[in-house]
Amino acid sequence: QKEVEQNSGPLSVPEGAIASLNCTYSDRVSQSFFWYRQYSGKSPELIMSIYSNGDKEDGRFTAQLNKASQYVSLLIRDSQPSDSATYLCAVKGGSYIPTFGRGTSLIVHP
Amino acid sequence: KAGVTQTPRYLIKTRGQQVTLSCSPISGHRSVSWYQQTPGQGLQFLFEYFSETQRNKGNFPGRFSGRQFSNSRSEMNVSTLELGDSALYLCASSLNTGPTEAFFGQGTRLTVV
Repeated sequence: QKEVEQNSGPLSVPEGAIASLNCTYSDRVSQSFFWYRQYSGKSPELIMSIYSNGDKEDGRFTAQLNKASQYVSLLIRDSQPSDSATYLCAVKGGSYIPTFGRGTSLIVHP
Repeated sequence: KAGVTQTPRYLIKTRGQQVTLSCSPISGHRSVSWYQQTPGQGLQFLFEYFSETQRNKGNFPGRFSGRQFSNSRSEMNVSTLELGDSALYLCASSLNTGPTEAFFGQGTRLTVV
């Protein structure tokens, strides 16, 4: 059973701080990794994709991948109240069937 | 560029009935995947269609089926509905099959009573 684990939270950070969201996965042959943001009652929205070890930056978002440790993270710099949402980590392995984590709830308070 | 369009947005059905949900992918995208999202199980993969062929299938009973048309539009069918099928059904489109990014539609909220 391929698993993707996320801390359910909530993770509470003050406005302007860095929010760090973490995800671990069990399938060693995983190839592609994605972060989605989902507001309550809405569908998931793709934030970042990462395919190779290291960091990938896009605006205030940085995805970090460490395949040896089977670990992927998402950093949100200068967090805003509008970033308050559930963040889903998704992993695709060799079969390309995506497995989603249960999500981490982020609360950014003014 | 239009996003992924799912219809209908909301649906109420009675146990034992069947339902068909529709998904139009982003223009140029050839892969369509379907997911079920519930508070208890999270987001779970149902199946993926690419070039009118089912490429991958998740761990769901045969009551859940789908198909894809030549214009990449896809439909999902659930037969003999059960109360536990109440969920948000999401469609996602990708340019191709494989390790590619997927973009979700707004979903269809199905309630079985």
